[in-house]
Amino acid sequence: GAVVSQHPSRVICKSGTSVKIECRSLDFQATTMFWYRQFPKQSLMLMATSNEGSKATYEQGVEKDKFLINHASLTLSTLTVTSAHPEDSSFYICSARGGGSLSYEQYFGPGTRLTVT
Amino acid sequence: GQNIDQPTEMTATEGAIVQINCTYQTSGFNGLFWYQQHAGEAPTFLSYNVLDGLEEKGRFSSFLSRSKGYSYLLLKELQMKDSASYLCAVRERRQLSFGAGTTVTVRA
Repeated sequence: GAVVSQHPSRVICKSGTSVKIECRSLDFQATTMFWYRQFPKQSLMLMATSNEGSKATYEQGVEKDKFLINHASLTLSTLTVTSAHPEDSSFYICSARGGGSLSYEQYFGPGTRLTVT
Repeated sequence: GQNIDQPTEMTATEGAIVQINCTYQTSGFNGLFWYQQHAGEAPTFLSYNVLDGLEEKGRFSSFLSRSKGYSYLLLKELQMKDSASYLCAVRERRQLSFGAGTTVTVRA
């Protein structure tokens, strides 16, 4: 089946620093990648959608200058949390969707636990 | 957008059956998904319905009624490892939106 990886799985950073999270589709080409955020005991909230080679589309209330998304290739998307604050501490999950027979399903990465101190 | 409602918590006994209901409102329905999520992990795909009716997959089944905006996930022969959060997700056009999830606790 389709596999999506994320790196790192956990990261602790100091307030004011930036953190980059990578999302890779390992065995398929991801035409679209999604970034979600999940706070404890809450559901996944879509942050942004990105298509390879074009700018990401951000959901309402998500600051595009704070959460930088790059989808430079069909197998890699990155999310950079800039000037992180403790309230950015959350579980960040990426998801990828391919084309053709893979186009109906989204495959999720294992998530990245970000803690900002 | 969508309003996706599902119960917050359910408890059942090992070996029993549990049914998790999900209702939704959407203007551009393009499929309904159920995911399982264990604490601290990413969701894993369980089932997909785009047409009315029942989809069976081993111990898990999912039902959809598009006219009623209703789906359920049926878990049979419950095992302890089924204790998790179950997320109902609706795809509108090409975007998935998730319900808040139902935490299922399986007791011995």
